[in-house]
Amino acid sequence: DTGVSQDPRHKITKRGQNVTFRCDPISEHNRLYWYRQTLGQGPEFLTYFQNEAQLEKSRLLSDRFSAERPKGSFSTLEIQRTEQGDSAMYLCASSSLNGPQHFGDGTRLSIL
Amino acid sequence: AQSVSQHNHHVILSEAASLELGCNYSYGGTVNLFWYVQYPGQHLQLLLKYFSGDPLVKGIKGFEAEFIKSKFSFNLRKPSVQWSDTAEYFCAVIGTGNQFYFGTGTSLTVIP
Repeated sequence: DTGVSQDPRHKITKRGQNVTFRCDPISEHNRLYWYRQTLGQGPEFLTYFQNEAQLEKSRLLSDRFSAERPKGSFSTLEIQRTEQGDSAMYLCASSSLNGPQHFGDGTRLSIL
Repeated sequence: AQSVSQHNHHVILSEAASLELGCNYSYGGTVNLFWYVQYPGQHLQLLLKYFSGDPLVKGIKGFEAEFIKSKFSFNLRKPSVQWSDTAEYFCAVIGTGNQFYFGTGTSLTVIP
């Protein structure tokens, strides 16, 4: 399967800890997106990259959140000093320049 | 600002019934519209998309949607649902930064 891959599938951590998620997009896609989804809601846009450049960030992305895509391939999303409200499903998607977005299975973050 | 409204939060139908899920968007520019489906335990999958041209768009699994510009709507339809259509359905519009704005989703339950 050459779809979007996310790791880990589930992360449980204590409040205040740092967490990092990884996304491997479809290899020929140059755009990569991060979304957050909470129960009963649609995915909310966080940020997106075109190649290695981070082109847009949502106001939802507080200073505790940082995303990188250093070589224009995989991306990481780090959350520092996690809070209860960070509990959510974090989704990654990728697309070609004008194509539809293909989503990964997501990383479910649970804050104890 | 762009936004998407899905007014049906939960729909329950019997097999073979017809389906119509409402989607209204708010966006001032050229719209690209999508319907995604999320089957239980699976990632978001593209059902269909509208970029331009024929406002009646046909997607996978017998789904179609009609773009009505005057009503800012992009409703999803299927003439005869099956039990396997039980899923969460999300309407989305692409914003200026190429990020998706999703609706809150409609949960469809099809009773055999």
